[in-house]
Amino acid sequence: GAVVSQHPSWVICKSGTSVKIECRSLDFQATTMFWYRQFPKQSLMLMATSNEGSKATYEQGVEKDKFLINHASLTLSTLTVTSAHPEDSSFYICSARGDSGRKTQYFGPGTRLLVL
Amino acid sequence: EDKVVQSPLSLVVHEGDTVTLNCSYEVTNFRSLLWYKQEKKAPTFLFMLTSSGIEKKSGRLSSILDKKELFSILNITATQTGDSAVYLCAVGQGGSEKLVFGKGTKLTVNP
Repeated sequence: GAVVSQHPSWVICKSGTSVKIECRSLDFQATTMFWYRQFPKQSLMLMATSNEGSKATYEQGVEKDKFLINHASLTLSTLTVTSAHPEDSSFYICSARGDSGRKTQYFGPGTRLLVL
Repeated sequence: EDKVVQSPLSLVVHEGDTVTLNCSYEVTNFRSLLWYKQEKKAPTFLFMLTSSGIEKKSGRLSSILDKKELFSILNITATQTGDSAVYLCAVGQGGSEKLVFGKGTKLTVNP
């Protein structure tokens, strides 16, 4: 139980293009999902908290117009990196928090983005 | 500023050794402390600790929390090469969904 998937796992794109990353909770409902970013040898940095049916809450310093988050259902949240630039290259990980029981965050496998 | 500090940053041991990983925190409105194991991809959940002095155990791994001294340790006994990973400590805050992560301890277990 508590499986979270992400798609795609790898993305290589040209500078200026937009990239959409999907995060799905496969066997549980998640009112709340989280998007993290991880640079090499660094820890996970929370970018935003995504709530189903409402606007995402962004952390300080994260541009909401650049990192668009949509949480359209209880099992799907999407992160769109708009007009990607090389400095956006990173490992993006989502997590989903169960709505019942222990409410631990379960992580997806991550998406590695490389912007050329 | 909320912070979670893990030590050591990296550790190299031989199979069969016992290791202790440390996590200290300064976080407002502490609610829980979590340990994750991260191999090549996303972190996998190990333990969640909310009460002081109560050891959580899963096989060769165990963890305990000291809320007075604001730290936790993760012990791994009889290490195996499959234990090689980055171990992340994270603290959850009351009234918030957020987790504050430490930088992790990279453990390498050599045969």
